[in-house]
Amino acid sequence: DVVMTQSPLSLPVTLGQPASISCRSSQSLVHSDGNTYLNWFQQRPGQSPRRLIYKVSNRDSGVPDRFSGSGSGTDFTLEISRVEAEDVGVYYCMQLTYWPPSFGQGTRLEIK
Amino acid sequence: QVQLVESGGGVVQPGGSLRLSCAASGFTFSNYGMYWVRQAPGKGLEWVAFILFDGSNKYYADSVKGRFTISRDNSKNTLYLQMNSLRVEDTAVYYCAKDRWNFDCWGQGTLVTVSS
Repeated sequence: DVVMTQSPLSLPVTLGQPASISCRSSQSLVHSDGNTYLNWFQQRPGQSPRRLIYKVSNRDSGVPDRFSGSGSGTDFTLEISRVEAEDVGVYYCMQLTYWPPSFGQGTRLEIK
Repeated sequence: QVQLVESGGGVVQPGGSLRLSCAASGFTFSNYGMYWVRQAPGKGLEWVAFILFDGSNKYYADSVKGRFTISRDNSKNTLYLQMNSLRVEDTAVYYCAKDRWNFDCWGQGTLVTVSS
């Protein structure tokens, strides 16, 4: 199975400052169809997960443009340009290229 | 809009059974594969089961294989998870999620507590 490793696991950030979360996969996530099926999810306290980014860098509808995804192969990054209070929660990367799908451990973002 | 609503959670003793439901609306349910994903208290996300759009193939995590059964009724736009021989470690919030390649919509979750 593909192992997804996130870092850091805890991320204290000052309001208005940038934040960056890394996600590494144990194998390249490039599918034979040419797509890279790497998603990012946000889970706010007490809520269900919400997809933010799909196929590495595509932002979902309604997601603020301060969120961006990048990367290729085995290394991926979620960046928040200026953290706001509503961004508090846990962020997960997930791969769908290989079966079974697998999630990272989660990164808890908190306001410093 | 696209919506998934889970139900059926509750408290059950070890060895007991429970059936979860996920009612879908706002999209053509019969066109999409569907997942069950769970989250133990304070823990991360774990894929549990997946069913193809027409119910022809089903897949399970090793942790639930032989105990859980995923099914669907496309005429009722509903996904199910039959959970038998429940263990304490199955305690979690169970979410349904849409689409093999996307996970673009999740329900609000239903809590299953296995305890004596």
